[in-house]
Amino acid sequence: SQKIEQNSEALNIQEGKTATLTCNYTNYSPAYLQWYRQDPGRGPVFLLLIRENEKEKRKERLKVTFDTTLKQSLFHITASQPADSATYLCALARSNYQLIWGAGTKLIIKP
Amino acid sequence: DSGVTQTPKHLITATGQRVTLRCSPRSGDLSVYWYQQSLDQGLQFLIQYYNGEERAKGNILERFSAQQFPDLHSELNLSSLELGDSALYFCASSVSDKDYEQYFGPGTRLTVT
Repeated sequence: SQKIEQNSEALNIQEGKTATLTCNYTNYSPAYLQWYRQDPGRGPVFLLLIRENEKEKRKERLKVTFDTTLKQSLFHITASQPADSATYLCALARSNYQLIWGAGTKLIIKP
Repeated sequence: DSGVTQTPKHLITATGQRVTLRCSPRSGDLSVYWYQQSLDQGLQFLIQYYNGEERAKGNILERFSAQQFPDLHSELNLSSLELGDSALYFCASSVSDKDYEQYFGPGTRLTVT
């Protein structure tokens, strides 16, 4: 069956460093992949979308890579700030464009 | 503010009861999605509507149903409620049925006692 894995353990990063989150998938060839941010008790907020034919996408301090050979996406936040602390979700689009969601990784940026 | 509205924000009800959650998508968005998120759990896709028609079904229980009206707002009906139905219910909308970026509402927190 199709599976998406994100680090279930919280990621603790020192302020100013680069945070890197991982999204791995199996048994699947996604058309594209999305990353969302979710704060406690609130709805997810769309951050970035990367298509299967794109290797890298950037937006301000955010960078996403997509390796269809490794079946992995990496999400980077450079110059991290305490305000970046949140849970980050990855979601893959199936061939019918429906999204399959990972469980999310909690990111904690320490001052 | 995503532009997606959900009502009510909080709902407390007893087991066996029925409730209706309401969602208004962003202006111009034709697709509406419903998700359930239990405490410390991931998002579980329930159902999608596009321009009034059911487009996709996920892990939606038979006790749950939804519809999208001509004005594109949507309602999620939950019946014969059980304690395990307590969760945050999110509505999201997108421009098309192709699952481009989704815009989420603030959610409805349902507590079943």
